[in-house]
Amino acid sequence: EAGVAQSPRYKIIEKRQSVAFWCNPISGHATLYWYQQILGQGPKLLIQFQNNGVVDDSQLPKDRFSAERLKGVDSTLKIQPAKLEDSAVYLCASSFHGASTGELFFGEGSRLTVL
Amino acid sequence: GQQLNQSPQSMFIQEGEDVSMNCTSSSIFNTWLWYKQDPGEGPVLLIALYKAGELTSNGRLTAQFGITRKDSFLNISASIPSDVGIYFCAGRNTGNQFYFGTGTSLTVIP
Repeated sequence: EAGVAQSPRYKIIEKRQSVAFWCNPISGHATLYWYQQILGQGPKLLIQFQNNGVVDDSQLPKDRFSAERLKGVDSTLKIQPAKLEDSAVYLCASSFHGASTGELFFGEGSRLTVL
Repeated sequence: GQQLNQSPQSMFIQEGEDVSMNCTSSSIFNTWLWYKQDPGEGPVLLIALYKAGELTSNGRLTAQFGITRKDSFLNISASIPSDVGIYFCAGRNTGNQFYFGTGTSLTVIP
């Protein structure tokens, strides 16, 4: 079974530029998450999708971050314009939820450096 | 969003020693998960727990779902050099949101 795919693995941009990250979840996983992980910290939830609908985006800085999952499969996370404090690893994860179970599987992440 | 309290923050142990770490939350979760993250990689799932009081093993790893549903514990027995990494706990709520701990950095000295 293929895992969660993310690209690009690394991106270096200057502040005020824009960047986009792509994620393809595990086949059949209806729920997709984007997390931000700053160096030395645990992953922080940015947005959660259930199929093509947003379940939770309360932690997403909506003035600069946007995300979509138009067909309920792959997803794109965009940052525009980027700030220095956006330097982090952006992790995509997916989950298939049963009635009483649920496990979260991560991609390798996209490391963003903002100069 | 919330972040779970995980301790200790870091551990330096001799190869062969046992390791214990724990995670606490102010909220109740219906699933507890433990992950290991190597540098430059995404977190990898080690153990999943679904019931309060549940004790689950995966090789040398043993984890427990606290009876209050607000905490969880991970033990690693007979540590080896490849156990080095950062361990994260995660709790899942009824809305299927997953919240992560602050991480425990483990160093194993050969």
